[in-house]
Amino acid sequence: NAGVTQTPKFQVLKTGQSMTLQCAQDMNHNSMYWYRQDPGMGLRLIYYSASEGTTDKGEVPNGYNVSRLNKREFSLRLESAAPSQTSVYFCASRVDRMSSYEQYFGPGTRLTVT
Amino acid sequence: AQRVTQPEKLLSVFKGAPVELKCNYSYSGSPELFWYVQYSRQRLQLLLRHISRESIKGFTADLNKGETSFHLKKPFAQEEDSAMYYCALSGLSGSARQLTFGSGTQLTVLP
Repeated sequence: NAGVTQTPKFQVLKTGQSMTLQCAQDMNHNSMYWYRQDPGMGLRLIYYSASEGTTDKGEVPNGYNVSRLNKREFSLRLESAAPSQTSVYFCASRVDRMSSYEQYFGPGTRLTVT
Repeated sequence: AQRVTQPEKLLSVFKGAPVELKCNYSYSGSPELFWYVQYSRQRLQLLLRHISRESIKGFTADLNKGETSFHLKKPFAQEEDSAMYYCALSGLSGSARQLTFGSGTQLTVLP
């Protein structure tokens, strides 16, 4: 199993440009998540999807949209990138067991907006 | 609301010395707590969870409900332990369970 994969690994955008970050998991997990990681702030939840066809806002959703294309894929879109969105973005999926709440993370996408 | 506090952004110890990374939480229900580790330029990976009461790579963490703490400890630090460590809490937020992360502690083990 590849686990959680993300593309691209690195991206540089100019202010106002748009792009979509892709995430896929092959573990048959129902729940998927997008986080951003910034120095001194830990990981903050942007959006999550508890199941195929549903999405919900997390702590910092402004400036982002998501799409749960199918059970495997969960994409994050920046419609008009801003320098404040310079960050490392992690996708994660969740083990669907009531007895535990472990999440598995992708390798991250390092995004710079100039 | 749920909150996780890691008071130390940076922590340096010498190889062979004991290390303790502090984590305090705020949550009104019964929490599930985790420690995640991120080695340089790698993805986050689960180190340990409180419900399994296990020791991974020599690290242990005990949930202290009275002090609302979940400190991570290792008696003899190794250079390969240098990494960013995140404490995380799983609790209900809105209608779903979510993970809330602390701001992280960068551990450096000096030779």
